[in-house]
Amino acid sequence: DVKVTQSSRYLVKRTGEKVFLECVQDMDHENMFWYRQDPGLGLRLIYFSYDVKMKEKGDIPEGYSVSREKKERFSLILESASTNQTSMYLCASRDRYEQYFGPGTRLTVT
Amino acid sequence: AQSVAQPEDQVNVAEGNPLTVKCTYSVSGNPYLFWYVQYPNRGLQFLLKYITGDNLVKGSYGFEAEFNKSQTSFHLKKPSALVSDSALYFCAVRDKMDTGRRALTFGSGTRLQVQP
Repeated sequence: DVKVTQSSRYLVKRTGEKVFLECVQDMDHENMFWYRQDPGLGLRLIYFSYDVKMKEKGDIPEGYSVSREKKERFSLILESASTNQTSMYLCASRDRYEQYFGPGTRLTVT
Repeated sequence: AQSVAQPEDQVNVAEGNPLTVKCTYSVSGNPYLFWYVQYPNRGLQFLLKYITGDNLVKGSYGFEAEFNKSQTSFHLKKPSALVSDSALYFCAVRDKMDTGRRALTFGSGTRLQVQP
């Protein structure tokens, strides 16, 4: 079975802090994604990566950056966390067709 | 651009009755279509997908969906609902010709409540 893991299930950070969300997949997938999920808005794509060190902006990249130094790991970085970044963050990797999701990280910024 | 619409925020159905969760999509070319389910405080779990071939797709937990190209729809169905089916359901699409974005586009989600 494909496994996508995220470093934390719940995270509480203060405004202005730098936040790292880590995602690891074990299926050698080239494509990886970060989404945020908010009630009534569904999942919105923040960034994606199609290879090591390659990244592309999604629909809502402002306030975020990403890093992919190894194929299995894709990190989301909030350079200076703000309260409007309080959300559920979901990581995914993709084979030819299907996306596989991690359990999510619920981030609260106070 | 690709998009998905789930017109119902919530669907209520009695246990044992059939259920339908609606989804319509828009893509430039031909679609790959997916349904995912999310239980509270969990990630998304894959239910089923349409890639090509038979328009009726069967998936996990007794769910099925019908691809209707003329109506650009991919409604999720189940003949007999269970209380345990209560969850948040997402429809998603990707354009077969898309080599740039590579990601699924999701609808806003439909909450299914099955009453005992």
